[in-house]
Amino acid sequence: QQQVKQSPQSLIVQKGGISIINCAYENTAFDYFPWYQQFPGKGPALLIAIRPDVSEKKEGRFTISFNKSAKQFSLHIMDSQPGDSATYFCAASSTLEYGNKLVFGAGTILRVKS
Amino acid sequence: DAGITQSPRYKITETGRQVTLMCHQTWSHSYMFWYRQDLGHGLRLIYYSAAADITDKGEVPDGYVVSRSKTENFPLTLESATRSQTSVYFCASSEEREGWETQYFGPGTRLLVL
Repeated sequence: QQQVKQSPQSLIVQKGGISIINCAYENTAFDYFPWYQQFPGKGPALLIAIRPDVSEKKEGRFTISFNKSAKQFSLHIMDSQPGDSATYFCAASSTLEYGNKLVFGAGTILRVKS
Repeated sequence: DAGITQSPRYKITETGRQVTLMCHQTWSHSYMFWYRQDLGHGLRLIYYSAAADITDKGEVPDGYVVSRSKTENFPLTLESATRSQTSVYFCASSEEREGWETQYFGPGTRLLVL
């Protein structure tokens, strides 16, 4: 049972545009929301993460927006570049539940056209 | 510094055979994880380990066995491979102080079961 729903499955953006990937969750015990970036042939790598005590976190061109009441969070990539082309996974975990396991979304394949 | 490595990178086997995927990390991280990545499912946790000799099931453990006699190694064994176990397998590790939150992934093993 997938507890984190991610959309879209794939996304094509022009260079310089904004890429937006959305995730929704059901478990209100989730209190940590990371995004992982995966290039072809590589393992995923942590990109940026947020906790529910803030509504937004920005690191360079990457921003997480978090809406606790709607149980949604999203990744925004500003000024998207061809080098951003990768698969992006959202995830969630809870420090209250045993094991603090990360639950991943299904992933979004992003292609930035030059 | 090798970080986290997996072997083999590619494996073809037949239904019913036993297969062992190896994972080795040089950071002395306490936590280690095994995931499988399938299109449309994202990353699903198979097994995890909080320390040497401590392992526990994840979301999809059936058909898999793990062991952790040394902190740096976390092999995953498919006791009798099935076609449904065709997948890309990722090993990951994290530091105890960070728990599960920042996980560092290996390059993956692509397994094909004929």
